[in-house]
Amino acid sequence: GQQVMQIPQYQHVQEGEDFTTYCNSSTTLSNIQWYKQRPGGHPVFLIQLVKSGEVKKQKRLTFQFGEAKKNSSLHITATQTTDVGTYFCAGPESSASKIIFGSGTRLSIRP
Amino acid sequence: EAGVAQSPRYKIIEKRQSVAFWCNPISGHATLYWYQQILGQGPKLLIQFQNNGVVDDSQLPKDRFSAERLKGVDSTLKIQPAKLEDSAVYLCASSLVTGSYNEQFFGPGTRLTVL
Repeated sequence: GQQVMQIPQYQHVQEGEDFTTYCNSSTTLSNIQWYKQRPGGHPVFLIQLVKSGEVKKQKRLTFQFGEAKKNSSLHITATQTTDVGTYFCAGPESSASKIIFGSGTRLSIRP
Repeated sequence: EAGVAQSPRYKIIEKRQSVAFWCNPISGHATLYWYQQILGQGPKLLIQFQNNGVVDDSQLPKDRFSAERLKGVDSTLKIQPAKLEDSAVYLCASSLVTGSYNEQFFGPGTRLTVL
């Protein structure tokens, strides 16, 4: 079946350093969504990318959708302690409306 | 705008017992999802409703799990009998309509521990 994989599984950075998580799908995606889950919390929608090669920015966060629409990345510039949490990508299963979540990248930060 | 409500927030049961979770989605949201999130993993879709009809339940262990959304609003998820591997957080989410382009709003989840 379709798989959505994320790397790395964990990342521990010094506050102020940059952070990147990568998402790869075994099939072409019509769109991809990113969610953030704080420790003990629930996933919260961050953004959706639809177009091939699309790049979107939210303050220090930059999201990119690959040209082949099979991969995506989230880059955080100059991390802050508020960025702590697990970042999930999620994409639709083939032509269905069902969303498949990646395994997530857990970000921890040294103050 | 009120968010997705879930109860209880925590539940501890012994294996072979039964348990039920309740979810009230955001008002006006036609689509409701139940996810299982095991520690360290991403949410796994168990069942998806569009109004009171099932859109997808391909990953629902139907021999022990059941879910309903009778009036197209709130929903219940039941496990009977529970197994140790059912220990997880059960997340309910809703979206305005069905479709992969729709943002999902998640509730706080119910943390289930099966002893």
